[in-house]
Amino acid sequence: GIQVEQSPPDLILQEGANSTLRCNFSDSVNNLQWFHQNPWGQLINLFYIPSGTKQNGRLSATTVATERYSLLYISSSQTTDSGVYFCAVQGYSGAGSYQLTFGKGTKLSVIP
Amino acid sequence: GAGVSQSPSNKVTEKGKDVELRCDPISGHTALYWYRQSLGQGLEFLIYFQGNSAPDKSGLPSDRFSAERTGGSVSTLTIQRTQQEDSAVYLCASSPRDSYNSPLHFGNGTRLTVT
Repeated sequence: GIQVEQSPPDLILQEGANSTLRCNFSDSVNNLQWFHQNPWGQLINLFYIPSGTKQNGRLSATTVATERYSLLYISSSQTTDSGVYFCAVQGYSGAGSYQLTFGKGTKLSVIP
Repeated sequence: GAGVSQSPSNKVTEKGKDVELRCDPISGHTALYWYRQSLGQGLEFLIYFQGNSAPDKSGLPSDRFSAERTGGSVSTLTIQRTQQEDSAVYLCASSPRDSYNSPLHFGNGTRLTVT
């Protein structure tokens, strides 16, 4: 199956700093999504981004599908950005349906 | 509108007992996924339902795990003869179709503890 690697595994930022999170994947994908899991465990979909660039406020994401990576940018970080960021990619399973395979995540801690 | 609803939010059970976890997807969503997340880990795919198609059960870890989706809406994940290694957060997600071209929406999960 598809392998998803995220880096760095852990990141500590001072409030106001910028950061870049990376997601590499091992095969062609139909879909890529970024999620934020807050400290209470809730998973929020940030971006659906199989290719190209999208922006939502202080967050933006870029996926270069031909080179099998995606980047999530966080600018002017805030303490509420803390949590785990997951990249998930989608391809065909052996059964022909559509699993979303998750990376192990980047744990971000923003300190005031 | 309402999001994905899961119940119970917490479940403590004794080893060897059966448990049922429930998921109510967003109304109109045809695709439904179950994942589990062990402490500090990523998400592990369990099973996927899409409309009336046969479910993709390729992620179920053993034959003690089963799931059904009645009427194309509510889904139940059943774990028989629970073991301590089954302790995890079980997450349900839905999307308007097969999630190819559509984002996934997750519920808040059921935290299962097997003692």
